[in-house]
Amino acid sequence: SQTIHQWPATLVQPVGSPLSLECTVEGTSNPNLYWYRQAAGRGLQLLFYSVGIGQISSEVPQNLSASRPQDRQFILSSKKLLLSDSGFYLCAWSIQTEAFFGQGTRLTVV
Amino acid sequence: DAKTTQPNSMESNEEEPVHLPCNHSTISGTDYIHWYRQLPSQGPEYVIHGLTSNVNNRMASLAIAEDRKSSTLILHRATLRDAAVYYCILRDIGGSQGNLIFGKGTKLSVKP
Repeated sequence: SQTIHQWPATLVQPVGSPLSLECTVEGTSNPNLYWYRQAAGRGLQLLFYSVGIGQISSEVPQNLSASRPQDRQFILSSKKLLLSDSGFYLCAWSIQTEAFFGQGTRLTVV
Repeated sequence: DAKTTQPNSMESNEEEPVHLPCNHSTISGTDYIHWYRQLPSQGPEYVIHGLTSNVNNRMASLAIAEDRKSSTLILHRATLRDAAVYYCILRDIGGSQGNLIFGKGTKLSVKP
């Protein structure tokens, strides 16, 4: 069966520090991969999606970047975090029909 | 993905049916209608999807209008654990395009 792993579950980082969130998927090949952010009390904002290795599409301009070095690995990064980067980050994968989400990383930038 | 419109919030009593509406007047012939729900502090989970015919699964039923411009997610007997934000989204039948856009969804409250 397919599973998605996202870590860490919580993270507190100072302003200006780098960020790396990793997401891996098991049990499937060539999935579409997604990174979302959800600010407190707000909806899901699509940040990046990828339809294949090395292929990244950005939905909104921001302080973040994404990479897909392997078929089932999706990484969200930042060189210097801002206070506004705080939020709940979710990774997801899909093939054709339904999407499956990880448990999320709650990032607090202080 | 085409846009959907949902009420911001709805209330239900426990053990009563709940009908969550979604309008998608610009739906294309190749769009599936998907429903997800998000419990507090969790990632969204898939609920159900359909194309033209009504669909049933262990979680819910999906009723799709004949012209496909609207749909309704039906929870037959709401429980307190069904309190969540419910999202209705459209996805191309092939799923080939990358983006998967969520709207604001409907926040369902269930009263005991």
